[in-house]
Amino acid sequence: DAKTTQPTSMDCAEGRAANLPCNHSTISGNEYVYWYRQIHSQGPQYIIHGLKNNETNEMASLIITEDRKSSTLILPHATLRDTAVYYCIVRVSYNTDKLIFGTGTRLQVFP
Amino acid sequence: NAGVTQTPKFQVLKTGQSMTLQCAQDMNHNSMYWYRQDPGMGLRLIYYSASEGTTDKGEVPNGYNVSRLNKREFSLRLESAAPSQTSVYFCASSGGGLQETQYFGPGTRLLVL
Repeated sequence: DAKTTQPTSMDCAEGRAANLPCNHSTISGNEYVYWYRQIHSQGPQYIIHGLKNNETNEMASLIITEDRKSSTLILPHATLRDTAVYYCIVRVSYNTDKLIFGTGTRLQVFP
Repeated sequence: NAGVTQTPKFQVLKTGQSMTLQCAQDMNHNSMYWYRQDPGMGLRLIYYSASEGTTDKGEVPNGYNVSRLNKREFSLRLESAAPSQTSVYFCASSGGGLQETQYFGPGTRLLVL
């Protein structure tokens, strides 16, 4: 599975959009980009995933660059409850559904 | 619908003691997983089970054994606990297959003295 690089931490004002970048420059054509988050010490929670097209669901949007070497998770209106560690993961399409977590980005949303 | 449940929530062991962490899911999922998370780190896969009756090693399997008791339950056993196994243990399950979401339990916090 391709390695990902994320900033260690980010801040965001409540109500503003939070844009979390992820670099996956060695991604292969059959690897999906997944985002999970972990609030405090709870179990991780799935947010969104995509292959090459941009994706949106009720939680967030995922923007993947045309060359697929990087992506951005967008929380359109961050709230205090979005304070968490966000993990960007790439996963091979033909492999089992193992997830390889990095250290993630710690997002702090402030009032 | 409880999702993924884990017992116990907390446990303190002495070095050399054994224990079993229990995990159950009620979502009729095929695949189940055990991860550990050390302070300030991401999760690391210990073992997984792609279907009932099968288990495979993950990144950090040494010192652990697992049992897929049935489709619902997947247990993790520490035969002789060591301080290096102090961690938070998460169980997860999924329907199996690439685009199936993994659902995580609340975790078991283990301290080995």
